[in-house]
Amino acid sequence: GAGVSQTPSNKVTEKGKYVELRCDPISGHTALYWYRQSLGQGPEFLIYFQGTGAADDSGLPNDRFFAVRPEGSVSTLKIQRTERGDSAVYLCASSPRAPGTGELFFGEGSRLTVL
Amino acid sequence: SQQGEEDPQALSIQEGENATMNCSYKTSINNLQWYRQNSGRGLVHLILIRSNEREKHSGRLRVTLDTSKKSSSLLITASRAADTASYFCVNEAGSARQLTFGSGTQLTVLP
Repeated sequence: GAGVSQTPSNKVTEKGKYVELRCDPISGHTALYWYRQSLGQGPEFLIYFQGTGAADDSGLPNDRFFAVRPEGSVSTLKIQRTERGDSAVYLCASSPRAPGTGELFFGEGSRLTVL
Repeated sequence: SQQGEEDPQALSIQEGENATMNCSYKTSINNLQWYRQNSGRGLVHLILIRSNEREKHSGRLRVTLDTSKKSSSLLITASRAADTASYFCVNEAGSARQLTFGSGTQLTVLP
């Protein structure tokens, strides 16, 4: 596709459930980022991949959050034992270059609602 | 720590007027970027200004950078109702962790 694709666009789940959010970056982009955005706030950094490896996961709030990118392309953000406070829009971005060298291309986000 | 902090938090102007938003940052800089976000949508890159540049133009956008004051401004000239959105700055200081956004400026352009 032409842009960053995120699925699902909306996810409603119950407290305690497991959730997976998928990001399909622009073809050839080696850098991939996950952000979380709450209402009225800017995006909050979660994790950054360069290729297949998580180069920086310091933004993940706790060990219920995990992300993978096994083949260096599609990434999945996994949230275990969801809590109401996890409700937010989860944004994915990709870039052809390393941090500090160029723009990020964002997807439309996955809106997660935990009831 | 937030690497980009925008002000004002909210700005409301009439169509045709100019809109100016400011950004302050804390550390050294590789480049500074401005993004726009329409309500409920993803962020769209607007313009990038490098640390050795002082001013840059793109269409109706004008960005300035003052590294001595660690600040940048985004000017939108001849605003339109379609410019209504949130605007964010990001200081790329070479670390993924530092690609952190502030709360943004919510611009409302009234027709």
